[in-house]
Amino acid sequence: KAGVTQTPRYLIKTRGQQVTLSCSPISGHRSVSWYQQTPGQGLQFLFEYFSETQRNKGNFPGRFSGRQFSNSRSEMNVSTLELGDSALYLCASSLEQGRGEQYFGPGTRLTVT
Amino acid sequence: AQSVTQPDIHITVSEGASLELRCNYSYGATPYLFWYVQSPGQGLQLLLKYFSGDTLVQGIKGFEAEFKRSQSSFNLRKPSVHWSDAAEYFCAVGARGGSYIPTFGRGTSLIVHP
Repeated sequence: KAGVTQTPRYLIKTRGQQVTLSCSPISGHRSVSWYQQTPGQGLQFLFEYFSETQRNKGNFPGRFSGRQFSNSRSEMNVSTLELGDSALYLCASSLEQGRGEQYFGPGTRLTVT
Repeated sequence: AQSVTQPDIHITVSEGASLELRCNYSYGATPYLFWYVQSPGQGLQLLLKYFSGDTLVQGIKGFEAEFKRSQSSFNLRKPSVHWSDAAEYFCAVGARGGSYIPTFGRGTSLIVHP
């Protein structure tokens, strides 16, 4: 099976802009989670989607949002970008919600200037 | 809420030497436990997991981990390290049942000397 794919792999944006990142889970996986990884804060959970519904949400401001489509593909959006949003954004998929065995994509490296 | 501590930020070993990476967790019951590895510029790859049963878990790439309930630990081991094992290693904890939000440790960077 193909692994988790994320597009784009690299992105450079300017403060105040918005950005949309895409994630395609492993075929058959219905749960998609998003994480932000930075040197200072480590891996932080953003949100989880299952069957097109947000099931869990981490402690991030409302500028961070996401959605999941009927084919389980997911997008996350960050509006009004800040310098501190520069990070590696990782998507992970799992077969079911709540088991924790996640398979990660390569990530999208977002740089905000 | 659960928490994870990886006490070692960096570990340096010689190629061929044995390895043990420490992970301690805090959780009211037995959680789900995971070890992941991340190579530079890449996502995380699942090395092994513990859900229940045998406390010694075998994973990929020759890694194993042992769950010790009395010590709230889930240490990762490998008998002989290869240069390609140099990477960042993350321990993660998940709560059983209900809402699942995994908690990751801050990671241990493994440096392998030839």
